[in-house]
Amino acid sequence: NAGVMQNPRHLVRRRGQEARLRCSPMKGHSHVYWYRQLPEEGLKFMVYLQKENIIDESGMPKERFSAEFPKEGPSILRIQQVVRGDSAAYFCASSPQGAPGANVLTFGAGSRLTVL
Amino acid sequence: SQQGEEDPQALSIQEGENATMNCSYKTSINNLQWYRQNSGRGLVHLILIRSNEREKHSGRLRVTLDTSKKSSSLLITASRAADTASYFCATDGGTGTYKYIFGTGTRLKVLA
Repeated sequence: NAGVMQNPRHLVRRRGQEARLRCSPMKGHSHVYWYRQLPEEGLKFMVYLQKENIIDESGMPKERFSAEFPKEGPSILRIQQVVRGDSAAYFCASSPQGAPGANVLTFGAGSRLTVL
Repeated sequence: SQQGEEDPQALSIQEGENATMNCSYKTSINNLQWYRQNSGRGLVHLILIRSNEREKHSGRLRVTLDTSKKSSSLLITASRAADTASYFCATDGGTGTYKYIFGTGTRLKVLA
């Protein structure tokens, strides 16, 4: 029973390139969350998705960032035209359907993006 | 701004001692959760306490919640070197929201 799978674990991009991060939630989980973590800091909420729906993207920058969770396949966080400030660890978490606030999040190991 | 703020930011104790971390938040909540993060890894859920609960135990963990003060504490008793990690509280935004906001974390170091 695999947990939340994220890939790639490490990604290096040059400024201006695109970064694409993937997340496969735990089996049976229908909610996916993306968080960003800078070194020595807490997690910053980016976006919350259910299958084929973005429920809350209030934490995601309006430009260059997008997220999707298609009917089939993993959730994808896409960062276009990356800049050095995008360097961070990006964590995906999933949870089963449940009441607001009552879901326990299962996290992946994270994808570490380095922008040169 | 962050929903949760933990203090202290860093804590260093000897093995066998107790470690207490505090979390303050700003808005009403349904539940509060505590997570642990080992260096370079993802977060692991420790415990969830509902807004109508005041105290909860799980093994060596004891969590309290004071909704009137909008604060929670996590106590780890008889700490071990393996407890060395960062600890985060997470709160939902209240009724109807699925968004979880994490605090800034307490970095705990347990010395053998």
